[in-house]
Amino acid sequence: EDKVVQSPLSLVVHEGDTVTLNCSYEVTNFRSLLWYKQEKKAPTFLFMLTSSGIEKKSGRLSSILDKKELFSILNITATQTGDSAIYLCAVEAGKTSYDKVIFGPGTSLSVIP
Amino acid sequence: EAQVTQNPRYLITVTGKKLTVTCSQNMNHEYMSWYRQDPGLGLRQIYYSMNVEVTDKGDVPEGYKVSRKEKRNFPLILESPSPNQTSLYFCASSLWAGGGEAFFGQGTRLTVV
Repeated sequence: EDKVVQSPLSLVVHEGDTVTLNCSYEVTNFRSLLWYKQEKKAPTFLFMLTSSGIEKKSGRLSSILDKKELFSILNITATQTGDSAIYLCAVEAGKTSYDKVIFGPGTSLSVIP
Repeated sequence: EAQVTQNPRYLITVTGKKLTVTCSQNMNHEYMSWYRQDPGLGLRQIYYSMNVEVTDKGDVPEGYKVSRKEKRNFPLILESPSPNQTSLYFCASSLWAGGGEAFFGQGTRLTVV
């Protein structure tokens, strides 16, 4: 059965800290891994990763994929209260072009002043 | 403005009363999907559609129906809702599956009593 696991499930840090969120997966016919940020509404896209070892970066956020060990990490440096959200990892997988998307349970991040 | 529109945003209904949640996107996306989000379980895919008249089951399709008669619309139908379908529902679209960023609607909070 395809599955995506995230850790930790919940995290509380102080402003300025650096955090690392983890996502591991077991899926058949992996195609891509995506990270989303969900505040009190719909998820919004952060990164899409398809190749191992290539870091994607956007401001204080960065992410990398390891297809051999089947995991990805999302790093946030110099955290701010606005980073408080649920971070979702999703994997697109499929043998043909009919692709399913499997989400992990999410990591709830709280950044306190 | 590029967007995915769901209606209604909130709905309280009684067991067994058929309902439809509408979803429309204005980005000419091929891929659309429905998710439900429950605490601790993350987003779970209900149904997805690769294009007009092409739909397939996700991980939790029981009790739901969908149709894709036009590219822009992808309604979710609950023929006989039950209390275990109380959840937060999201519709999403992307250019194509495996092609990255999904755009989410604002969500429909459904309560079945």
